[in-house]
Amino acid sequence: DARVTQTPRHKVTEMGQEVTMRCQPILGHNTVFWYRQTMMQGLELLAYFRNRAPLDDSGMPKDRFSAEMPDATLATLKIQPSEPRDSAVYFCASGLIRGTGTEAFFGQGTRLTVV
Amino acid sequence: AQSVTQPDIHITVSEGASLELRCNYSYGATPYLFWYVQSPGQGLQLLLKYFSGDTLVQGIKGFEAEFKRSQSSFNLRKPSVHWSDAAEYFCAVGASSNFGNEKLTFGTGTRLTIIP
Repeated sequence: DARVTQTPRHKVTEMGQEVTMRCQPILGHNTVFWYRQTMMQGLELLAYFRNRAPLDDSGMPKDRFSAEMPDATLATLKIQPSEPRDSAVYFCASGLIRGTGTEAFFGQGTRLTVV
Repeated sequence: AQSVTQPDIHITVSEGASLELRCNYSYGATPYLFWYVQSPGQGLQLLLKYFSGDTLVQGIKGFEAEFKRSQSSFNLRKPSVHWSDAAEYFCAVGASSNFGNEKLTFGTGTRLTIIP
């Protein structure tokens, strides 16, 4: 059963530390998304990639967040330095975009707590 | 820019009763619409989607949704809910771009509680 895999599932870190979240998209999918979910803001799109190239990262704080796809099987989201306001659940999703009309498949998320 | 409104933050329904979750969208072109469900501590699972064609779409777990362009709505329905349907439900609209409709904007969600 193909699924998006995210690691770690939970992360507690101290303010100022670097945090790296990883995502393995579904094999064959050409688009990868990073979403953040908080009680206050709900689900927000941070960035997404097509064929490993970044298409849109306008939702991401540029000074501390970075997203990359080193290869087709790995996407990373890095926060450096982390702040308490970054505490949230971060979701990775992947999809196969063919023209118009597809859906995103979500991983189980990484719950990040910055203290 | 597109937006999605889910007017009901929390709904409580008796097991076996019918369900309707409301969703209104704002988008200048033909929308691509989705309903996702999220169980506690889990990711989002797609229930159903509307891209074109028949305005009544069937999804998994016995859910259906009807697209009404005149009302800018895409309400989710189920004729008889089960205790396992208790979860958070999100409506989303996909924005078109040069690449497709993949940029999803989500509503704030509706939490569904089922009582015996």
